[in-house]
Amino acid sequence: GENVEQHPSTLSVQEGDSAVIKCTYSDSASNYFPWYKQELGKRPQLIIDIRSNVGEKKDQRIAVTLNKTAKHFSLHITETQPEDSAVYFCAASMNAESSASKIIFGSGTRLSIRP
Amino acid sequence: EAQVTQNPRYLITVTGKKLTVTCSQNMNHEYMSWYRQDPGLGLRQIYYSMNVEVTDKGDVPEGYKVSRKEKRNFPLILESPSPNQTSLYFCASSFARVGNYNEQFFGPGTRLTVL
Repeated sequence: GENVEQHPSTLSVQEGDSAVIKCTYSDSASNYFPWYKQELGKRPQLIIDIRSNVGEKKDQRIAVTLNKTAKHFSLHITETQPEDSAVYFCAASMNAESSASKIIFGSGTRLSIRP
Repeated sequence: EAQVTQNPRYLITVTGKKLTVTCSQNMNHEYMSWYRQDPGLGLRQIYYSMNVEVTDKGDVPEGYKVSRKEKRNFPLILESPSPNQTSLYFCASSFARVGNYNEQFFGPGTRLTVL
């Protein structure tokens, strides 16, 4: 079955610097890759997603890149701010046309922004 | 207000005492899913449902049951809880169709302790 590995498990960056979180997946049939942000004590919320027919997607300060050949995808946050401090989860799913499928999450990255 | 609700939010129980955690959504979503969140393991999918009377196993279904008799409700049933089911549980829902509707909306979480 699908396996998703996420690195690093913790990340501390200076405010204003960039942060990069990387994930690899094992099943080449996976074709939908969402990223969720979970603030302390809160529920996860989708921040960006990418489908396998796209190599990069950007939304203001966040971007996701996908390398299907290498089976890895990354989250990039630029100009980090204190409110970016949270746990981030990547995920892989085998059906981009609907979310009605099994989804595997990475183990999470705790991002801390130093003032 | 569009939302996913879970009840109870906190529960302490004893080994072997059957319990049900309810999940309800008011967004007319076809897809609903249950996850457990444990430190260092991220979110692991327990069961998911594409629509009424259609359910399937996720990554960690052992010890759990679900039912989907109505579109809005997706209860999680622990017939004989054990201490290794102590965890934070999230219910989530989304549309199940092509387009930008794959975002999963999570409930507030249920913290379960099994003694």
